[in-house]
Amino acid sequence: AQTVTQSQPEMSVQEAETVTLSCTYDTSESDYYLFWYKQPPSRQMILVIRQEAYKQQNATENRFSVNFQKAAKSFSLKISDSQLGDAAMYFCAYRRRYRAGNMLTFGGGTRLMVKP
Amino acid sequence: DTGVSQNPRHKITKRGQNVTFRCDPISEHNRLYWYRQTLGQGPEFLTYFQNEAQLEKSRLLSDRFSAERPKGSFSTLEIQRTEQGDSAMYLCASSFEKTGVMDETQYFGPGTRLLVL
Repeated sequence: AQTVTQSQPEMSVQEAETVTLSCTYDTSESDYYLFWYKQPPSRQMILVIRQEAYKQQNATENRFSVNFQKAAKSFSLKISDSQLGDAAMYFCAYRRRYRAGNMLTFGGGTRLMVKP
Repeated sequence: DTGVSQNPRHKITKRGQNVTFRCDPISEHNRLYWYRQTLGQGPEFLTYFQNEAQLEKSRLLSDRFSAERPKGSFSTLEIQRTEQGDSAMYLCASSFEKTGVMDETQYFGPGTRLLVL
């Protein structure tokens, strides 16, 4: 079974600075997707960024980028120029690519606090 | 596109009562997922539908839980004889899956928060 681990329950960053959230996963599959989702307080979960395992290039979305290390099974999220609106729970998630169901397996989350 | 909606947003019930939640996915989405999220944890998969067919159920989904998607549009999740351990946020997500198209993203609703007293 696949597992996703986020070892940082809480992180704090000063506004305008950069922060990196860590995620490791365990799988025997070779082809899969990885995601970072953001869940603001009392609001719905939204997709921040996704990475296809077969792509060597790290995904980027504006201020958000990932460091995908397939051999190490590591998938960290870097947030540059942090903004107050970035404060939220961040969840790393895994999904197999070629299998019926495509359900997401989530990590336990990291609460990000942004200090003004 | 109004996004995924869920009703009710909050539900308080007494132990032993039955509750039903509703999820309305994004209109063209053929897949619908239910997840459960307990406080301070990540969501856990419960079940999913491809159109009206329920194709997979997690071991978390005990026989007190039943889900339906009768016409391949909205879905309901019913919990019978609720227990205090059922207290959680129940999340619904939808996606569009098409053979040969690998770009699938799950869009989440706001969730239904259940408190069993």
